[in-house]
Amino acid sequence: GNSVTQMEGPVTLSEEAFLTINCTYTATGYPSLFWYVQYPGEGLQLLLKATKADDKGSNKGFEATYRKETTSFHLEKGSVQVSDSAVYFCALRGSGAGSYQLTFGKGTKLSVIP
Amino acid sequence: GAVVSQHPSRVICKSGTSVKIECRSLDFQATTMFWYRQFPKQSLMLMATSNEGSKATYEQGVEKDKFLINHASLTLSTLTVTSAHPEDSSFYICSAFKGQANTEAFFGQGTRLTVV
Repeated sequence: GNSVTQMEGPVTLSEEAFLTINCTYTATGYPSLFWYVQYPGEGLQLLLKATKADDKGSNKGFEATYRKETTSFHLEKGSVQVSDSAVYFCALRGSGAGSYQLTFGKGTKLSVIP
Repeated sequence: GAVVSQHPSRVICKSGTSVKIECRSLDFQATTMFWYRQFPKQSLMLMATSNEGSKATYEQGVEKDKFLINHASLTLSTLTVTSAHPEDSSFYICSAFKGQANTEAFFGQGTRLTVV
């Protein structure tokens, strides 16, 4: 079955530091890949996505590139802010017929300190 | 963008009582909605897939008689936790896809259930 593995946190960075959260996946076919962000006490919000190999998703300064050769979708941001403190989830959605389900990684908690 | 609204955001109930959580798609029709449970510091665990007009599909290990799901319309799915116990305390989140393949999922705000 499908699975997502992301680096365990928590990750603590100083403001303006560079962020990388690693994510690798196992899936058959050509899944779509997502990063979701969860702020304290809230549901999940889509941060970015990529639907095919070599696609780069980007939003709010965050980027991730769909690497099929390494089955990875690492999240990066060049300069984090305190407001980026949240839990980040990598997820995939299968490519089979009726593939609505999302498979999530365990989440990585990011804390950015001033 | 599309919005999924979940209600209530927080609920405290006594052991043995039942609690209903609503999930609404506000500006689109959702034939399929999903219910997740999130344990502290853990990922989302898919509990069940809610299908409009038919029975929900439960994941292995999820008690269908305890977690009743009703998807009576294209914009509303409800999760009822029956005879709640303290171990049912958790964060419950619903989601829905607006369209067909390769569209994003929209999530509700989540419901923090505390059973005392």
